[in-house]
Amino acid sequence: QQPVQSPQAVILREGEDAVINCSSSKALYSVHWYRQKHGEAPVFLMILLKGGEQKGHEKISASFNEKKQQSSLYLTASQLSYSGTYFCGARGLQGGNSGGSNYKLTFGKGTLLTVNP
Amino acid sequence: DGGITQSPKYLFRKEGQNVTLSCEQNLNHDAMYWYRQDPGQGLRLIYYSQIVNDFQKGDIAEGYSVSREKKESFPLTVTSAQKNPTAFYLCASSIYRDAGPTENEQFFGPGTRLTVL
Repeated sequence: QQPVQSPQAVILREGEDAVINCSSSKALYSVHWYRQKHGEAPVFLMILLKGGEQKGHEKISASFNEKKQQSSLYLTASQLSYSGTYFCGARGLQGGNSGGSNYKLTFGKGTLLTVNP
Repeated sequence: DGGITQSPKYLFRKEGQNVTLSCEQNLNHDAMYWYRQDPGQGLRLIYYSQIVNDFQKGDIAEGYSVSREKKESFPLTVTSAQKNPTAFYLCASSIYRDAGPTENEQFFGPGTRLTVL
């Protein structure tokens, strides 16, 4: 099952903030965030791990609530270059709370972010 | 420079013909993936491979086939059995760790846009 992203689309003026949410119906080991510009390949932003570890972008922050099976991506003081479609990818726990990880990454449908001057 | 290449960028085929999409990486990654992207649907996993000569079906494998004879290459064949093959196809790779405590990002190729006439 694909994780659910919200909102589907958001329009900002340069300098404004935005939050993109990603919710899963299954227990998660990690959440990955990617950004894709139209017609291009997705680019890695961040990984959030069960237990609190994070890897990724310096200017973008995110949170991971394991109990709620949710992650949020925080875009502050947005720049024109932030425009694009943001995808979360969720990796489930193998066999429930075994501590391992299901190898597949399941992506949400994306959130289209438009930053205007 | 290391990276992933996909060719061609645009591909046109007649209905009923099989077509093979190329994916090559020189990142020395063990894991490789194929995704299909349709407007508003996000990235859906077709097949993935963790090591040479081994691959697993993803969420939408019907009508597709793959091979993994070399670490660097993971070609995807879209067969005539795929009912709606027109889409944007993305190949990705990553370091593979079996149920380890750390996660690694996926690196994406530029994609191939397949149109079946």
